[in-house]
Amino acid sequence: RKEVEQDPGPFNVPEGATVAFNCTYSNSASQSFFWYRQDCRKEPKLLMSVYSSGNEDGRFTAQLNRASQYISLLIRDSKLSDSATYLCVVNIGSGNTPLVFGKGTRLSVIA
Amino acid sequence: GAVVSQHPSWVICKSGTSVKIECRSLDFQATTMFWYRQFPKQSLMLMATSNEGSKATYEQGVEKDKFLINHASLTLSTLTVTSAHPEDSSFYICSASNRLAGYNEQFFGPGTRLTVL
Repeated sequence: RKEVEQDPGPFNVPEGATVAFNCTYSNSASQSFFWYRQDCRKEPKLLMSVYSSGNEDGRFTAQLNRASQYISLLIRDSKLSDSATYLCVVNIGSGNTPLVFGKGTRLSVIA
Repeated sequence: GAVVSQHPSWVICKSGTSVKIECRSLDFQATTMFWYRQFPKQSLMLMATSNEGSKATYEQGVEKDKFLINHASLTLSTLTVTSAHPEDSSFYICSASNRLAGYNEQFFGPGTRLTVL
């Protein structure tokens, strides 16, 4: 079983749509959770951290269920600029331990 | 967030040559740097973890004699791909963090695209 698994995608959605990404992780000792965004041929960039209480940043909402070892990302009112690959990332330790990346889910927002 | 640079951003080399990639933290001291590799349509795969002043810890399956990592200062780590072959062509990305500053995230460099002919 892979450490971090994501919806394979790709997701092709029209502008304005709401889209949800799911992710599961296998290591129950994981402490930190993130969603990163990666554009084609670019480095990953932190989109948002994910907290147990759930958190929202504008059109983006992230949720964590530790019991189910499940993470989600919801994007409302999709924009063309949201087109990218979204990576689910976990860390079993602090900032000095390696991040474990999911394979990513590709999103294409269509006009 | 903190800034991490990589150089070169892309490189094309002949098979059998060695290529050095630099990763620099520009505005903070990186106690730890990580080197990742990403093949097309694949996830980032950790190659090695490097703590300043000590030997790097390599992930299983990564040849330490082929991928030489040096982290001699708190702002610079280098990855040297020795005797590169076409199968080494990939996107190499470093990230940096600073435990002492209480960072809970890693900051990524822009990546280096290596093509071995």
